[in-house]
Amino acid sequence: GEDVEQSLFLSVREGDSSVINCTYTDSSSTYLYWYKQEPGAGLQLLTYIFSNMDMKQDQRLTVLLNKKDKHLSLRIADTQTGDSAIYFCAVNKGGLTGGGNKLTFGTGTQLKVEL
Amino acid sequence: GAGVSQSPRYKVTKRGQDVALRCDPISGHVSLYWYRQALGQGPEFLTYFNYEAQQDKSGLPNDRFSAERPEGSISTLTIQRTEQRDSAMYRCASSMPQTGKIYFGSGTRLTVV
Repeated sequence: GEDVEQSLFLSVREGDSSVINCTYTDSSSTYLYWYKQEPGAGLQLLTYIFSNMDMKQDQRLTVLLNKKDKHLSLRIADTQTGDSAIYFCAVNKGGLTGGGNKLTFGTGTQLKVEL
Repeated sequence: GAGVSQSPRYKVTKRGQDVALRCDPISGHVSLYWYRQALGQGPEFLTYFNYEAQQDKSGLPNDRFSAERPEGSISTLTIQRTEQRDSAMYRCASSMPQTGKIYFGSGTRLTVV
């Protein structure tokens, strides 16, 4: 089955860039996601990328996809204390029609932003 | 509604009791998903619906778990004869077909004592 792996912890200084990495095993994944989870809150969809793209940028967020290496990364520019949270990488399997959009999540990366 | 709504937010139940968790998806969303998240882990897929049809229930851990979505909108996840190992955050999500956007609710924290 699908396996998604992330490092558990990342600490950065406020104002620096953060890079959170994710590797996955299923090359048939069509959508790849980043979700943010803050204490006591739900899972917030941050961004996602379609598998035929290499990069997607959305304000301070940049997603890079290396399909050959099955590697996904999330870069947060000018990291702020409000970015402190757990970030989950997730990938789907198969197409969006009929088979649905069933996601496999990583274990999450705890981002700590220090002053 | 504005987002995916789940109730109750917290549920404490005694071992052996049945519980029903409710999910109200974003208005008009065809697909509805249930996930379970243990502490320190990512969510794990349980089941999903397109409209009222349950398309995949491969993630339900055993036959004590069931889900329904009778009118293609609100869904209920039912756990019968709860056990302590059922304690977790149960998350619901919804989406439209042909899009990549899947939105999650705030979850129901279930504690079985």
